[in-house]
Amino acid sequence: GAVVSQHPSWVICKSGTSVKIECRSLDFQATTMFWYRQFPKQSLMLMATSNEGSKATYEQGVEKDKFLINHASLTLSTLTVTSAHPEDSSFYICSAMVSNQPQHFGDGTRLSIL
Amino acid sequence: AQSVTQLGSHVSVSEGALVLLRCNYSSSVPPYLFWYVQYPNQGLQLLLKYTSAATLVKGINGFEAEFKKSETSFHLTKPSAHMSDAAEYFCAVSDNNNDMRFGAGTRLTVKP
Repeated sequence: GAVVSQHPSWVICKSGTSVKIECRSLDFQATTMFWYRQFPKQSLMLMATSNEGSKATYEQGVEKDKFLINHASLTLSTLTVTSAHPEDSSFYICSAMVSNQPQHFGDGTRLSIL
Repeated sequence: AQSVTQLGSHVSVSEGALVLLRCNYSSSVPPYLFWYVQYPNQGLQLLLKYTSAATLVKGINGFEAEFKKSETSFHLTKPSAHMSDAAEYFCAVSDNNNDMRFGAGTRLTVKP
């Protein structure tokens, strides 16, 4: 149980395009979803926290207009990297949780911007 | 604010040897503590968690960790390393499972 699916797992696109990443909780309804960014050989850095039906809470230094988060249902959150540039290349990981339970992580999305 | 410090970015052990990955935490409230494992190009898998019950926590794959409040530590151990244990390990602290902060990670290498 408690499976979180991320799609796509790998995406390569040209600079200037927008990329959408989906995060789904497959067998449970997640009260909260999280988006992390991980640079090579580094730890996970929390980007934002989102609750279904409300605006995401972004961490300091994360551009809201750059990283658009939509959490339309209890099983789906999306992260859209708008007008992506090479410096946005990274490994993006989502997680989902039900109240007072540990976060369950997706397998991540490797984003490469040419 | 909570934080964790993982001592040693890289640990190398021989197959069959003891694995010890160190984690120290800082928290102003009783913490929830976690260890996660990450294999290449994958997300994080929960190994074990401490939530103020027993101080010795047993997890999956033979790993365990002991919460020591006096030392503010939550070190991860496994008596005998397997080749399949080679991965990146992250310690994390949370006050309520929501605001989770990760350590920098420790890469475990297992030599045959």
